Amino acid sequence: RKEVEQDPGPFNVPEGATVAFNCTYSNSASQSFFWYRQDCRKEPKLLMSVYSSGNEDGRFTAQLNRASQYISLLIRDSKLSDSATYLCVPSGQGNLIFGKGTKLSVKP
Amino acid sequence: DAGVIQSPRHEVTEMGQEVTLRCKPISGHNSLFWYRQTMMRGLELLIYFNNNVPIDDSGMPEDRFSAKMPNASFSTLKIQPSEPRDSAVYFCASSYRKGNEKLFFGSGTQLSVL
Repeated sequence: RKEVEQDPGPFNVPEGATVAFNCTYSNSASQSFFWYRQDCRKEPKLLMSVYSSGNEDGRFTAQLNRASQYISLLIRDSKLSDSATYLCVPSGQGNLIFGKGTKLSVKP
Repeated sequence: DAGVIQSPRHEVTEMGQEVTLRCKPISGHNSLFWYRQTMMRGLELLIYFNNNVPIDDSGMPEDRFSAKMPNASFSTLKIQPSEPRDSAVYFCASSYRKGNEKLFFGSGTQLSVL
């Protein structure tokens, strides 16, 4: 099993839609989790941190399921500007291994 | 703060040449990471330092790759000799604490080896 697995997508959704991505991880010792957003030809930037069962920030909700070892990212009321690749990264023993990312494309 | 600064932004070189990528982390951050990103393999961790000491270099692909962090404000990633398959975007990132804090990325170096 790979350390971090994500559905590569692309997810093509209309504006206003709700979309969710999952990320599974293999290191059960991971304590904290992060979602990053990467725009085309740009560096990744932190979107959300998850330290307990979940976190909510406006239209974005991240949830953690430790028993099944996955984290999810829910985006409500999608905007055109949400189009990007979303990367998840569980934090383990200091190294930070990223998933390959899920590409989201929001259409008018 | 200016953020993580990487140079050069773009590097085009010929196979066999030495390439040196540079990174200045955010002041006060004590962890520094080097990543390589390609379409096929995604974002791969090459090596990371904590308090200027290399902690995990298991991601360094070959002996042709080496990284140093002589002080808290500077790191280099060197490829010697370079090969076409090394072509990728190389990102440097820093964080305040080892592993459990968010990463701040530089803008990356686009490397093309012809």
